[in-house]
Amino acid sequence: SYLLSQPPSVSVAPGQTATITCGGNNIGGRSVHWYQQRPGQAPVLVVYDDGDRPSGVPERFSGSNSGNTATLTISRVEAGDEADYYCQVWAGNTDLVFGGGTKLTVL
Amino acid sequence: EVQLVESGGGLVQPGRSLRLSCAASGFTFDDYAMHWVRQAPGKGLEWVSSISWNSGSRGYADSVKGRFTISRDNAKNSLYLQIDSLRLDDTAFYFCAKDVATTVTRVDYWGQGTLVTVSS
Repeated sequence: SYLLSQPPSVSVAPGQTATITCGGNNIGGRSVHWYQQRPGQAPVLVVYDDGDRPSGVPERFSGSNSGNTATLTISRVEAGDEADYYCQVWAGNTDLVFGGGTKLTVL
Repeated sequence: EVQLVESGGGLVQPGRSLRLSCAASGFTFDDYAMHWVRQAPGKGLEWVSSISWNSGSRGYADSVKGRFTISRDNAKNSLYLQIDSLRLDDTAFYFCAKDVATTVTRVDYWGQGTLVTVSS
């Protein structure tokens, strides 16, 4: 089965840029989607198809995908961005795969 | 507005069964594949099962294969998850989620989840 790996935690000061990675074998050949989950809430889609944003998601959120690593970048980080972030890909047939999640801490 | 409302969770003894439901509204239900995703307390998201728009394709995580059954009733705009032979490690919030296509691709909307607690 296809595996995705994420760093357990990332810390960043307000106003700085946060980078969250998602590693997988030739992940660059797949579409990667990112979800934000604040404590006690359901996940919310923030980036889809590697780098597109749903309506309502700030332009500060962007994504890229190449080789064995996909990246979610959050520019000008705010306190409200503190959350868990999960990457996800379609693993074929009817299977989805999620990364283990990264806790973003805003210092 | 898309709404997904799960129900059916609760406290259950190991080995028993449970049926989760998800009531969908705000979109044409039979135009989309649907999913169940779970999250154990303090843990990450785990894909559980998916079903295509017409129930022609269904998939299950290895951890639940043979014990869980996903189904849908397009006339009732509802998604279901039958859980048999419950185990302690099935304890989790179970989220209903909508796909963006008729077949499995990705999630765009999530419900708020229903908690299943397996304990003796």
